[in-house]
Amino acid sequence: DAGVIQSPRHEVTEMGQEVTLRCKPISGHDYLFWYRQTMMRGLELLIYFNNNVPIDDSGMPEDRFSAKMPNASFSTLKIQPSEPRDSAVYFCASSPPGQGTATQYFGPGTRLTVL
Amino acid sequence: GIQVEQSPPDLILQEGANSTLRCNFSDSVNNLQWFHQNPWGQLINLFYIPSGTKQNGRLSATTVATERYSLLYISSSQTTDSGVYFCAGPWRNNRLAFGKGNQVVVIP
Repeated sequence: DAGVIQSPRHEVTEMGQEVTLRCKPISGHDYLFWYRQTMMRGLELLIYFNNNVPIDDSGMPEDRFSAKMPNASFSTLKIQPSEPRDSAVYFCASSPPGQGTATQYFGPGTRLTVL
Repeated sequence: GIQVEQSPPDLILQEGANSTLRCNFSDSVNNLQWFHQNPWGQLINLFYIPSGTKQNGRLSATTVATERYSLLYISSSQTTDSGVYFCAGPWRNNRLAFGKGNQVVVIP
C-alpha cells in the first residue's frame, strides 16, 4: 500500500492567494482527518470525515478554511485568502473502518509558507 | 477540553541508554496513543494502548487509565529513535488531544 498521499509537499505563496492542499487516504479507510502543526500550538485537529461526510469541523480556525471530500479516495483543504499566520505543516491522516481515532496513519504533510 | 502533559520536554541520550517518557491526562481516557515524529516530520503511530502494557521491539508502553497516565519506555536507544514523541487521548467525538511532545535526541 502506498500509504496516505499528500500534495504538494511544499507550498510557498503570497498573502491573499488561494491555497489548496490535497490528500488521498489509504484505500479502504473510511475516516479522514486534517491536522495542522505549528510550534506555538502543536498538533491540532481541524476537521474529520467519516464515509466522506464531515463529522466535526469545530477545529477549523475560521471561514477562510474549507474542506471537502467528494469521494472516498480524495479530500481537499482550501484556504482563501491565505495569511502569514496560516504557515504550518498540514497533515492528512486516515483510519480503517471501525477504528475511528484508534489507529491513524499519517501522510508526509504539506509544509505551507505564506509570505 | 482535556489537558495532556508530557515530560520531560527534552531529552538527550547516549546511544544504548534506556529512557522513560511520561504522559499525564487531566481526565480519564480510554483510547490513548503514542506517536513518533522523526526528524523528517513523518508521524508514525507506535501504540494504541487504552490500558495495560504493550511491547514492540525495543519500545514498550504502559497505561494506567485509573491514574490517568501512560509511560513509553525506550530501551537500548539508537540514533534512529531521535525525534519527537507525542501522546494523544480522545476528547469529544473522535477528536484526539495531543501533548506538546518529548523531544528526544540520541547521540552516538
